[in-house]
Amino acid sequence: QVQLVESGGGVVQPGRSLRLSCAASGFTFSDYALHWVRQAPGKGLEWVAIISYDGSKKYYADSVKGRFTISRDNSKNTLFLQMSSLRAEDTAVYYCAREGSTYYYGSGSFFPYWGQGALVTVSS
Amino acid sequence: QSVLTQPPSVSGAPGQGVTISCIGNNSNIGAGYDVHWYQQLPGIAPKLLIYDNDNRPSGVPDRFSGSKSGTSASLAITGLQAEDEADYYCQSYDNSLSAPYVFGTGTKVTV
Repeated sequence: QVQLVESGGGVVQPGRSLRLSCAASGFTFSDYALHWVRQAPGKGLEWVAIISYDGSKKYYADSVKGRFTISRDNSKNTLFLQMSSLRAEDTAVYYCAREGSTYYYGSGSFFPYWGQGALVTVSS
Repeated sequence: QSVLTQPPSVSGAPGQGVTISCIGNNSNIGAGYDVHWYQQLPGIAPKLLIYDNDNRPSGVPDRFSGSKSGTSASLAITGLQAEDEADYYCQSYDNSLSAPYVFGTGTKVTV
């Protein structure tokens, strides 16, 4: 079965960096685009970034553009989110989520599979 | 501030039904983009409940149904059960935003 397992969360000071990982199994990793979605404590869901199935295309929410970098290693079935210049407002549970269809992302995107989430707390 | 507006909360007695609205505009739902729905139990990752407006993934009970009309969409839950108590989010695509994958504001269902 499809599994997505995030790791790398923790407490970090403002301005510092942190890298999240998402290990995938149960499907052909290199066939699917992947997303990061976050949820601040007590708040709703916010889309953060997407990477295409082959890693050639990447898009970001304005709130993280220039500070976060999404990447993937298809040989290791792993998705990453490198977060730098972290702010208090980046405090959230970060979920990796798989695209619904192979080789696709776009206006019809939805997220049938999610990881369990990794909590990132930005605080001095 | 999400472009998809949902009521903060709805409630119903066990066995009754509730409907959750998701109101958008002509840049998202009204532009013809599909709407998807997720259920989030406390402390758990979201679970896909409805995709492409009215399709249920395997394993989702037929008590859950979705619809879309104009600039809005709805999720209906019939025969409420205690385990349906959760947060529900709609999601769609917005062609006017640089972050095009948008979620609704979320609705807490109390049984």
